[in-house]
Amino acid sequence: DAGVIQSPRHEVTEMGQEVTLRCKPISGHNSLFWYRQTMMRGLELLIYFNNNVPIDDSGMPEDRFSAKMPNASFSTLKIQPSEPRDSAVYFCASSPWPSANEQFFGPGTRLTVL
Amino acid sequence: EDQVTQSPEALRLQEGESSSLNCSYTVSGLRGLFWYRQDPGKGPEFLFTLYSAGEEKEKERLKATLTKKESFLHITAPKPEDSATYLCAVQAAGSARQLTFGSGTQLTVLP
Repeated sequence: DAGVIQSPRHEVTEMGQEVTLRCKPISGHNSLFWYRQTMMRGLELLIYFNNNVPIDDSGMPEDRFSAKMPNASFSTLKIQPSEPRDSAVYFCASSPWPSANEQFFGPGTRLTVL
Repeated sequence: EDQVTQSPEALRLQEGESSSLNCSYTVSGLRGLFWYRQDPGKGPEFLFTLYSAGEEKEKERLKATLTKKESFLHITAPKPEDSATYLCAVQAAGSARQLTFGSGTQLTVLP
């Protein structure tokens, strides 16, 4: 299995631009999670989906952030407009719940907003 | 609110020098405690899940243990390739599948 796939791996953009991050979960996993990692705050859960339905988005910092999961093999995290404080590494993870609780992470997207 | 505290923040060991990393947690009912390894520029890699006090799991030079308030990751005779950041996370009983992560311990093993 290829594992969780994320794209792009690196994104540099200017303040005010729209940014879209993409994730393909592991086949057969029905839960998908978006995390953000910074030096100051560590790993924070932004939102998670179960069977393509958003379950908890209480970690989404502002209305500028939105996430979708149109099917079982694809999810996007969009930031519009982007701000310098959004600079971080964004991870997608998937889980085969209920068969197991473990979450398997992708390689991340390093976002830099200038 | 669920909280996870890891110590020390950083640890430098000589190759072969065994040690332990600590993860203290407060959670309203523990569903599971997870250990991950993270290498620079990569996503966290799953190591272990522990579900109940007294449980232990091993993988190569790593052994994870769990009590009602903390977990330890014991590293026996570490090698330079064990250098990484080790993250601990808890899943609360009432939280569905969310994980709350600690800030990690950055381990460096010198040859």
